[in-house]
Amino acid sequence: GAVVSQHPSRVICKSGTSVKIECRSLDFQATTMFWYRQFPKKSLMLMATSNEGSKATYEQGVEKDKFLINHASLTLSTLTVTSAHPEDSSFYICSANPTSAEHEQYFGPGTRLTVT
Amino acid sequence: RKEVEQDPGPFNVPEGATVAFNCTYSNSASQSFFWYRQDCRKEPKLLMSVYSSGNEDGRFTAQLNRASQYISLLIRDSKLSDSATYLCAVLNTGGFKTIFGAGTRLFVKA
Repeated sequence: GAVVSQHPSRVICKSGTSVKIECRSLDFQATTMFWYRQFPKKSLMLMATSNEGSKATYEQGVEKDKFLINHASLTLSTLTVTSAHPEDSSFYICSANPTSAEHEQYFGPGTRLTVT
Repeated sequence: RKEVEQDPGPFNVPEGATVAFNCTYSNSASQSFFWYRQDCRKEPKLLMSVYSSGNEDGRFTAQLNRASQYISLLIRDSKLSDSATYLCAVLNTGGFKTIFGAGTRLFVKA
């Protein structure tokens, strides 16, 4: 099946620093990728839709200046958590929809962010 | 009201039991429906899609009731390895966004 990778899988950073998370579709092109956040024992919360070649679409309540999304190619989207705070500590998961089959969705393995 | 709602559980059942989960959704225009399984600290894995006619995959049966806007998942002959969180998901084709329920936790015990 289609493979989506995320890097890093785990990151610990200090408050005030920025962290970049990469999401790659390894064997297909994805015009659209999605970024989710999941707190312990909670559901996946959709943060934003990442669109190749255009601005991301953010869900209500998600600060676009805080969570910068760049979808520069058909296989890569990045999420940068700027000026991270401990409350940003969470599990961040991306998903990618193949351009050839947009109703299908493939998830990355997730990135666990801990802000100290 | 949340767009997708599930009973968070947990459901604690013995091996061999049959367990059913329900999920309701609020957007009547939703097009596609899914059940995902998520193990602790892992990404969700697609368990099965849900069709109006109902569909079965081994011990798992999924059903969709569009009139009442709910989706169900039935697990028969529960195994220890079925212990996980089961997420109901709804795909709204405008933008192909998938919205997840909060998940139902299942513990199967020997």
